[in-house]
Amino acid sequence: SAVISQKPSRDICQRGTSLTIQCQVDSQVTMMFWYRQQPGQSLTLIATANQGSEATYESGFVIDKFPISRPNLTFSTLTVSNMSPEDSSIYLCSVNGGSLADTQYFGPGTRLTVL
Amino acid sequence: EDQVTQSPEALRLQEGESSSLNCSYTVSGLRGLFWYRQDPGKGPEFLFTLYSAGEEKEKERLKATLTKKESFLHITAPKPEDSATYLCAVRDTGNQFYFGTGTSLTVIP
Repeated sequence: SAVISQKPSRDICQRGTSLTIQCQVDSQVTMMFWYRQQPGQSLTLIATANQGSEATYESGFVIDKFPISRPNLTFSTLTVSNMSPEDSSIYLCSVNGGSLADTQYFGPGTRLTVL
Repeated sequence: EDQVTQSPEALRLQEGESSSLNCSYTVSGLRGLFWYRQDPGKGPEFLFTLYSAGEEKEKERLKATLTKKESFLHITAPKPEDSATYLCAVRDTGNQFYFGTGTSLTVIP
């Protein structure tokens, strides 16, 4: 399985500011995924990031609020822009893996608190 | 509509008291069912993938089984370190993932 790291592991931010979360994978992958997990809830897919093309956003998520970069096959960033307390969540990066490449493996997460 | 439902929401067990967690799913076509363990404030840690009804997977005190409508995660003689939230997810033939809300397991020494 892929080894995924995320930075920062946690942060406390002020309302109206932006935070960029980094995700690094130890192998080249075509697709990287960004999820949000709000307190007490399940995982919600924000977007899929392919290298060399624009990210594909899920319903309810827009590029202006969550811009994503994917400069190469091992790295991606997610920015949470103009934050409000409702953005307080764990943000997770994931990739496909396993023998059939059909299992999602997750990074350790970034725990964001917006005051 | 495709969906995943986990029960119970929370479970408290005495150390050594075996039990099962349930994951019921409705998908148009199942490509795989996945179990994860998630510790507070951390990312989900992959446990098992099941592909077809009748399949079973085991790892230490955990055993996952699959039928056409649901999956069970059996925990045998649990220890306090098994305390975590256990997430179930399914992947359909359209490559969409659906996650349950998890079962929060607490094992009391």
